[in-house]
Amino acid sequence: QQQVKQSPQSLIVQKGGISIINCAYENTAFDYFPWYQQFPGKGPALLIAIRPDVSEKKEGRFTISFNKSAKQFSLHIMDSQPGDSATYFCAASRPQTGANNLFFGTGTRLTVIP
Amino acid sequence: DAGVIQSPRHEVTEMGQEVTLRCKPISGHNSLFWYRQTMMRGLELLIYFNNNVPIDDSGMPEDRFSAKMPNASFSTLKIQPSEPRDSAVYFCASSLRGQASEQYFGPGTRLTVT
Repeated sequence: QQQVKQSPQSLIVQKGGISIINCAYENTAFDYFPWYQQFPGKGPALLIAIRPDVSEKKEGRFTISFNKSAKQFSLHIMDSQPGDSATYFCAASRPQTGANNLFFGTGTRLTVIP
Repeated sequence: DAGVIQSPRHEVTEMGQEVTLRCKPISGHNSLFWYRQTMMRGLELLIYFNNNVPIDDSGMPEDRFSAKMPNASFSTLKIQPSEPRDSAVYFCASSLRGQASEQYFGPGTRLTVT
């Protein structure tokens, strides 16, 4: 059973546009929600993360929006650039319980067209 | 720091052969994770260790797969006998347990079983 559901599977955006990727979860014990970015031939790398005590976190052009009541969170990439073309994974974990394994979404392949 | 080191980077083997993948986590990290990535199934957690002890191996597909962590700086994932359906990219990741679960991934081992 997929603990974290991610959509869309793929996304094509024009340069300068906004990319939006959505994730949903069921387990209310999750208290840490990272996004990982993966370029072809590389391992995933942490991009940005949020805890449920805030509704939004912004780092440069990347913003996570978090809706605790709906159990949803999303990644927004503003002013998308061709260099952002990669696969993005949302994830969730519950480090406060001592378990630090991540539950990953299925990934979104983003293509930014010049 | 050199990051997580995996070897080999590429492995091509024939069905029925034994395959051993190796991982050196980041020095000081006390959690280690083995993942498998395929187009069909995405990023799957196979097993993870805390302080060299296996915590959750529920993702190991079958008895043909085994993993060991004899010390804090080395882990192996073994497949015996290998099958064509084992072809995938295998990632090792490490983290500090108790932190916000940020995992650092290695470059992966691309396994092809013919």
